[in-house]
Amino acid sequence: DAGVIQSPRHEVTEMGQEVTLRCKPISGHNSLFWYRQTMMRGLELLIYFNNNVPIDDSGMPEDRFSAKMPNASFSTLKIQPSEPRDSAVYFCASSPYKDYGYTFGSGTRLTVV
Amino acid sequence: GESVGLHLPTLSVQEGDNSIINCAYSNSASDYFIWYKQESGKGPQFIIDIRSNMDKRQGQRVTVLLNKTVKHLSLQIAATQPGDSAVYFCAESGGSYIPTFGRGTSLIVHP
Repeated sequence: DAGVIQSPRHEVTEMGQEVTLRCKPISGHNSLFWYRQTMMRGLELLIYFNNNVPIDDSGMPEDRFSAKMPNASFSTLKIQPSEPRDSAVYFCASSPYKDYGYTFGSGTRLTVV
Repeated sequence: GESVGLHLPTLSVQEGDNSIINCAYSNSASDYFIWYKQESGKGPQFIIDIRSNMDKRQGQRVTVLLNKTVKHLSLQIAATQPGDSAVYFCAESGGSYIPTFGRGTSLIVHP
């Protein structure tokens, strides 16, 4: 099992550009989570999906952020337009439904200049 | 909302010593607690968990202690090794299966 796979590992973009982060969860895991990690705020839950359906997006900071899960093996987190304050490490995690067995990906380090 | 916090942001120990990382939580409804380890450049990794009906649980070289009276959680690492150097997070959940993470403690192990 390759674990949760995120791409890209690093992304540097200019302010105003669109950024798309990608995640492939572990096969068979029904729940998928997007987290953002910064020194100031720690790990923040942005949104999570159960069976490809968004359940709670209250952590999404603003309308510039959107997430999709078109199928059980793929999810995207998009920021449009990006701003310097979006710079952070974004993690995707997956787990079996209603199970605490979270597995995190290695993260995408986003830098917006 | 209620939060989970850590007493010490950085802990430095000598190789071979025992390490104790502390965590305070404020949600009295929390019934499940998890410790994660995050190494540089990686995502958090599950270490050990404990439910509120227990006050101690042991794993390999790690022990988690839960004191519900004072809402305190600790992670003990025996015979700390350089490979234990990482940031350690406690997380708590009140049954939603969505843990709330604390800010983390950086453990530095000196050879």
